[in-house]
Amino acid sequence: NAGVTQTPKFRVLKTGQSMTLLCAQDMNHEYMYWYRQDPGMGLRLIHYSVGEGTTAKGEVPDGYNVSRLKKQNFLLGLESAAPSQTSVYFCASSYGGSGKLFFGSGTQLSVL
Amino acid sequence: QQQVKQSPQSLIVQKGGIPIINCAYENTAFDYFPWYQQFPGKGPALLIAIRPDVSEKKEGRFTISFNKSAKQFSLHIMDSQPGDSATYFCAASGDTGFQKLVFGTGTRLLVSP
Repeated sequence: NAGVTQTPKFRVLKTGQSMTLLCAQDMNHEYMYWYRQDPGMGLRLIHYSVGEGTTAKGEVPDGYNVSRLKKQNFLLGLESAAPSQTSVYFCASSYGGSGKLFFGSGTQLSVL
Repeated sequence: QQQVKQSPQSLIVQKGGIPIINCAYENTAFDYFPWYQQFPGKGPALLIAIRPDVSEKKEGRFTISFNKSAKQFSLHIMDSQPGDSATYFCAASGDTGFQKLVFGTGTRLLVSP
């Protein structure tokens, strides 16, 4: 049972480049989330989804887009990367609206 | 806007000590208070959680104390071990249709042998 899988684990981008972070879960969870983790700032919610085909903005959505075309996948896109988006990104999922989130192992992104 | 304030930022205790991590919240609509544990290179994992209808919850060596009137809650780790060295996050959420968690800024705990 893989749980929540994120790819890639590491990535370096130049300012202005685009990329997509992939998240897949095999627990049949309805809810999925994208967080960023920065030193001294905890985990901040970027976007989330309460079901296939739905997405919503979180606390820090600017500069990011998401898509949930399949229930098991949640994609996070950066259209034009900026140095301020250097961070560790975590995907998570949960059963229904429970507060018990299952996190992936993270993607470390550096934007130069 | 920091809705959940966590302290201290870092903590060092000796093996067997009882580290205490504190969190305070402002939103009285919050009704679910989990703690997450994160080891280096890993994602956070749910450790223990409490709802405001009880003042204390224990799971093994981990205890949450909750003070509703003060809007504060804390994590105590009894008989701490070097394997407990990790970053701990408190969080809170309310009944808004689903549990959208707000996290504290984290506490890096080091338990020395």
